[in-house]
Amino acid sequence: QQQVKQSPQSLIVQKGGISIINCAYENTAFDYFPWYQQFPGKGPALLIAIRPDVSEKKEGRFTISFNKSAKQFSLHIMDSQPGDSATYFCAASSEGNQFYFGTGTSLTVIP
Amino acid sequence: DTAVSQTPKYLVTQMGNDKSIKCEQNLGHDTMYWYKQDSKKFLKIMFSYNNKELIINETVPNRFSPKSPDKAHLNLHINSLELGDSAVYFCASSQGWLSYEQYFGPGTRLTVT
Repeated sequence: QQQVKQSPQSLIVQKGGISIINCAYENTAFDYFPWYQQFPGKGPALLIAIRPDVSEKKEGRFTISFNKSAKQFSLHIMDSQPGDSATYFCAASSEGNQFYFGTGTSLTVIP
Repeated sequence: DTAVSQTPKYLVTQMGNDKSIKCEQNLGHDTMYWYKQDSKKFLKIMFSYNNKELIINETVPNRFSPKSPDKAHLNLHINSLELGDSAVYFCASSQGWLSYEQYFGPGTRLTVT
């Protein structure tokens, strides 16, 4: 059973546009929601993360929006750049132990 | 300096063989993990070790056996390789068992023919 559902599977955005990737979860015990960025041939790298006690977290051009009641969270990439082209994974964890990953979104930013 | 390193980066072998993948972290972390990423890029945890002790052992065939000689190393040995074992295997580490931030290695692409 997929603990974290992620959409869309792939996304094409023009340079300068906003990229939005969505995730949903069911387990209310999850208390940590990270996003990972993975370039081809590399391991996932932590991009930004949020706890459920806040509704939004922003780091540079990357923002996580969190809706606890809907059990959804999303990644917004503002002013998307070709260098942002990568696969993005959302994840969820309870107390920092086992992590459950979404199925990934392949983002392509067109110059 | 590479924080989490894996060897080899690529591994091509035939069905039935036994192979090992090595992982080392120089971050001083206590917890290490093995993940499997399939052809659809789905990432799933296989094992987790904390201070050389097995913490998580997901539903993984017995042919897979992790070994942690010390806190900085977590190796993965696979017996009797099958076609379905073809995937990218990632090692990761975190500061402690309840530490949220995980650092991933570059991955080992295993191809079983």
